[in-house]
Parts: sequence; structure tokens; C-alpha cells
Amino acid sequence: GQQLNQSPQSMFIQEGEDVSMNCTSSSIFNTWLWYKQEPGEGPVLLIALYKAGELTSNGRLTAQFGITRKDSFLNISASIPSDVGIYFCAGQFDYGGSQGNLIFGKGTKLSVKP
Amino acid sequence: DTGVSQNPRHKITKRGQNVTFRCDPISEHNRLYWYRQTLGQGPEFLTYFQNEAQLEKSRLLSDRFSAERPKGSFSTLEIQRTEQGDSAMYLCASVPSLATYEQYFGPGTRLTVT
Repeated sequence: GQQLNQSPQSMFIQEGEDVSMNCTSSSIFNTWLWYKQEPGEGPVLLIALYKAGELTSNGRLTAQFGITRKDSFLNISASIPSDVGIYFCAGQFDYGGSQGNLIFGKGTKLSVKP
Repeated sequence: DTGVSQNPRHKITKRGQNVTFRCDPISEHNRLYWYRQTLGQGPEFLTYFQNEAQLEKSRLLSDRFSAERPKGSFSTLEIQRTEQGDSAMYLCASVPSLATYEQYFGPGTRLTVT
């Protein structure tokens, strides 16, 4: 079945640093979405990507839909303490004319350096 | 608050009991999805509805799981004869129309089976 590999699994940030994370798939996706989840809450949509090669920004966040349609990355510039949380990539693929569900990666946990 | 709401937020039950969770999607969102999330994992798709029609249910984890959306508005997810392995966060998401794949999640229901 379709699987998403998300890396890194975890990372520590210092305020002001730029952060990068990525997601790769064994299958092609039509849509890539990036979510952030905080403890005890549901995922919050950050960015949606619909076209191969597309680069989209949302404030300090920038995400790209890979040309092969099998990968995506998310960058956070000038990180701040409230960026901590778990970031999930999710891919969507239509099949058989129905609206497909989302396939999620295992997440990248962002923590603040002690 | 016009976001997706889920009730209860937390449920503790004894093994063998039945539980039911409710999801109220964003108003006029015609697609509704259920996911399960276990610790350290991304959400895992269970089932979805377009209006009142359940269009995909093969991913429901067993025949103990069932979902309804009788009037195309709120939805319920029922787990019969709960097992300890059912302990997880159950998430609901809604989508505004067929023109988008952006899923908006509720805060989830945390189920603990003792």
C-alpha cells in the first residue's frame, strides 16, 4: 500500500533558526498537505499543494510539491518558540472516481533546544 | 466557534463496553472523514461520507466499528465490545466541497479502554 516516509523524526530548534523537513512516497499523489498538531488537539492545516512543482507560502512557512509528485518539503524560517509541535505531511490520491482519503506520515516533532 | 467539534473530548470505558462518539462538521461541509491516531503515528483513515452516503468503509478496523451520518450533518462513530487496543485518539475532519481536498480536523476524542 501507499506509505509516506517523513524525516527527520524529530529535531531541536533554537529561536531564529530555519527548519526543513520532507516527505517521500512510494506512490504518486495528486495533493500534498502539511499539518501541525499540538498535544491533545487535532491537526491544523498549514499549507495545501495541488500541482507538481508548486511552491506555496503561508507566513514563515514555505512548502513545495515535488516534480515527481512523490515528495514534498516544508521550510519554516526564523523559528519562534510557538513553532514547537508535530508536523505531518499528508498525501491524497483519487482513485476510481471517488474522493480519496489522506495518507499521513509519522510526523516530525519540533522541540526547543534546552 | 465555527470549526469542527467532537464530543466527548475524553472517554474512559471498560473493556467490552460500547462507546459512541459524535462529530459536528463545519456548517455546509458535505464530506466528513473519520480517522484514528495512535501514539507516535499519523492519523489513519477509517471511513468517509459524502452527505449522508458512506462511500468508503472498507478501512474500518473490524465489524465492531460502525459510523453513521443520517441527515448529512453530524456523524457518529460507534465501537462495540471495546478492546484495549481500541485506545486511541479518534479524529473527525470535514471538507467544504468536491472542489477541494483540504480537510479540517476537529479536536478529537481520546478513548481509553481499561
